[in-house]
Amino acid sequence: GENVEQHPSTLSVQEGDSAVIKCTYSDSASNYFPWYKQELGKRPQLIIDIRSNVGEKKDQRIAVTLNKTAKHFSLHITETQPEDSAVYFCAAIPLGGGGNKLTFGTGTQLKVEL
Amino acid sequence: DSGVTQTPKHLITATGQRVTLRCSPRSGDLSVYWYQQSLDQGLQFLIQYYNGEERAKGNILERFSAQQFPDLHSELNLSSLELGDSALYFCASSPQLGYGYTFGSGTRLTVV
Repeated sequence: GENVEQHPSTLSVQEGDSAVIKCTYSDSASNYFPWYKQELGKRPQLIIDIRSNVGEKKDQRIAVTLNKTAKHFSLHITETQPEDSAVYFCAAIPLGGGGNKLTFGTGTQLKVEL
Repeated sequence: DSGVTQTPKHLITATGQRVTLRCSPRSGDLSVYWYQQSLDQGLQFLIQYYNGEERAKGNILERFSAQQFPDLHSELNLSSLELGDSALYFCASSPQLGYGYTFGSGTRLTVV
């Protein structure tokens, strides 16, 4: 089955700096890669996703890049703000098959310091 | 509101007891997934149902069981509860297998 590794496990940045979280996956059939943000005690919420036919996707201050050859994808947050502090999870799945589920990374605790 | 409804929001029970957690998926979603999240831990996949049938099983203990009913709501049953079962239990649903995952607000289970 799919295995997703996520680094770093914790990340501290100064407000206004950029943050990068990296994930690698093992199943070459995976073709959908969402990112979730989870604030303390709340549900994970989808913030951005990318399909394998696209190399990069951007939504305001967040962007995701995908390198299918190397089987890794990254989340980039620019001009970080205190409200960006949360746990971020990457995930991967091969869409279209039966019995498939999202496989999540282990999470990155992002702390944006004033 | 994500459209995925989980009840109850909080549950406190004693060791050895049995509880049932309930999840109603978003309208139109056929897939339901259950996850366990212990303190400061990641999302541990438990089990998945699609249109009433079990589709995938993760690290779900034998003391735990689940089902999805004809109206597509799902229940997760946890029995012989232990202190270590204290966690947030999330349900998610999707219209297709894997795409458009949306999580409910979770049930916080405390075993004392």
